[in-house]
Amino acid sequence: GDQVEQSPSALSLHEGTGSALRCNFTTTMRAVQWFRKNSRGSLINLFYLASGTKENGRLKSAFDSKERYSTLHIRDAQLEDSGTYFCAAEAGGYKVVFGSGTRLLVSP
Amino acid sequence: NSKVIQTPRYLVKGQGQKAKMRCIPEKGHPVVFWYQQNKNNEFKFLINFQNQEVLQQIDMTEKRFSAECPSNSPCSLEIQSSEAGDSALYLCASRPRLGGSSYEQYFGPGTRLTVL
Repeated sequence: GDQVEQSPSALSLHEGTGSALRCNFTTTMRAVQWFRKNSRGSLINLFYLASGTKENGRLKSAFDSKERYSTLHIRDAQLEDSGTYFCAAEAGGYKVVFGSGTRLLVSP
Repeated sequence: NSKVIQTPRYLVKGQGQKAKMRCIPEKGHPVVFWYQQNKNNEFKFLINFQNQEVLQQIDMTEKRFSAECPSNSPCSLEIQSSEAGDSALYLCASRPRLGGSSYEQYFGPGTRLTVL
């Protein structure tokens, strides 16, 4: 079935550094969405992409439907970026598949 | 960010009891999804609606849950007879429409159900 492989499962960064999260898809997806689960457990929308790249502040995301992957880049990480990040992709027929999450910890 | 409202935030029930949770989607969003997220952060799709009509649901939902999205009232998801395995975070998400090029979902904070 349609699956999403999200990596890494956990990530530790020092303030001011950066890294990338990745979701690989087993099939062609129509669009991808990235969320962050904050300390209160709410899912905060970060990006929605049907193609290409988007940037918002220190975050940048890319989605390549043909190559079946999406990335989320974080630069100049801050303490408040800590949380669990999820990708979710639409496979078609209203079906949405989720990654298993990346737990990010940003430390001083 | 999201204006989806879910109540209650926490729900504790005994096995065999009914467990009901509610969701008010964002204004103007006719599409509502319910998901179950377990302790391993895995999402399971349960059911979705467009306005008052059920579009899709999994077998478990059809057999053990009662769900509706009446007009001018909150959507609801009710487990008819709770089981220990139902303990999870239940997330409601709304979308501005189906189809086209947008499926962006907006999630509520969830209802955390604990079945003792």
